[in-house]
Amino acid sequence: DAGVIQSPRHEVTEMGQEVTLRCKPISGHDYLFWYRQTMMRGLELLIYFNNNVPIDDSGMPEDRFSAKMPNASFSTLKIQPSEPRDSAVYFCASSLGKGRYPYEQYFGPGTRLTVT
Amino acid sequence: DAKTTQPPSMDCAEGRAANLPCNHSTISGNEYVYWYRQIHSQGPQYIIHGLKNNETNEMASLIITEDRKSSTLILPHATLRDTAVYYCTFTGGGNKLTFGTGTQLKVEL
Repeated sequence: DAGVIQSPRHEVTEMGQEVTLRCKPISGHDYLFWYRQTMMRGLELLIYFNNNVPIDDSGMPEDRFSAKMPNASFSTLKIQPSEPRDSAVYFCASSLGKGRYPYEQYFGPGTRLTVT
Repeated sequence: DAKTTQPPSMDCAEGRAANLPCNHSTISGNEYVYWYRQIHSQGPQYIIHGLKNNETNEMASLIITEDRKSSTLILPHATLRDTAVYYCTFTGGGNKLTFGTGTQLKVEL
């Protein structure tokens, strides 16, 4: 298996622009997680899905952030409008689960976002 | 959110065992302890997890105290490639993993 795939790997954009990050989870995994990592705040969970349904979005910083999972093999994280403080590395992870209990998570390589 | 306490940094000589401690005193009876590591700027990598009993896999061993309030990750023969930030976490409140600041392990010749 190719593992979790994220695109783009690097994104540089100007403040106010829309940014879309993409993730393809490992085939067969039914949990998908979006994290953000910065030096100041460390690794934070933004939102996670189970069987394509958002379960907990309490980590999403504000309404400028939205995430979707239209099918089992694709998810997006969108920031509109972007701000310099959104600069971070965004990781996607996926895992199997049993009922409501997920197993170990497998992380993608991350997308490094820079907003100028 | 799950709260863990780890030393910010540790050093280890190559070939020696690295013992990384973690305190998770608020863990509940049915919550698993997980260990991950992050090498440089890569995505975190799963290492091992456990509930009550000690666990071992090809990467490491996990020792959990009887009261489950703390655990130790053991890398039996550390190599330079084991230099990374090691995170201890548990599924506090359900399915979410909360990552703290971790321990920066530096393996030296």
